[in-house]
Amino acid sequence: DAGVIQSPRHEVTEMGQEVTLRCKPISGHNSLFWYRQTMMRGLELLIYFNNNVPIDDSGMPEDRFSAKMPNASFSTLKIQPSEPRDSAVYFCASSWTGGETNEKLFFGSGTQLSVL
Amino acid sequence: QKEVEQDPGPLSVPEGAIVSLNCTYSNSAFQYFMWYRQYSRKGPELLMYTYSSGNKEDGRFTAQVDKSSKYISLFIRDSQPSDSATYLCAMSGNNRLAFGKGNQVVVIP
Repeated sequence: DAGVIQSPRHEVTEMGQEVTLRCKPISGHNSLFWYRQTMMRGLELLIYFNNNVPIDDSGMPEDRFSAKMPNASFSTLKIQPSEPRDSAVYFCASSWTGGETNEKLFFGSGTQLSVL
Repeated sequence: QKEVEQDPGPLSVPEGAIVSLNCTYSNSAFQYFMWYRQYSRKGPELLMYTYSSGNKEDGRFTAQVDKSSKYISLFIRDSQPSDSATYLCAMSGNNRLAFGKGNQVVVIP
């Protein structure tokens, strides 16, 4: 199994530009998570999908952020317009949720985003 | 009080020493307790997973949970340079999953 695949690995863009991050979860997993990691705030949950449906998007910072999961094998996180404070590492993770709680998350290698 | 508290201070130890990491939490609904290891420029990977209070061993790693005190620990025996990484505690319950900020550990050869 290739694990969770994220692209691009690095993204450098200018303030105001649109940024799209991509994620392919592990085949057979039914939950997908987008996290943002910074030194100051640690790992923050942005949004969580279960069976392709957004369940909790309370962590999405503001309307500039949007996420989609059109099918079980693909998700995107879009930032439009991007701002320097969005600079961080963005992780996608997937898991199999058979019960009520997700515990065993498998993370991708992340996208290092720098907004100049 | 934060839901999960983990002192993010870096920790440097000589090779062969015991590494001790801990987290406290405030949410009584947490029932599952995890430790993730994150190498530089990589995503976190699940290292230990426990459900009940007590100890769980896996090789050189021991995870300890004390639900009455809302306190969890990770011990690494005979630490190796390859153990140098950031260790994040995580806990879940009642459809809630929360991570600590992580501890950077450096094992010096």
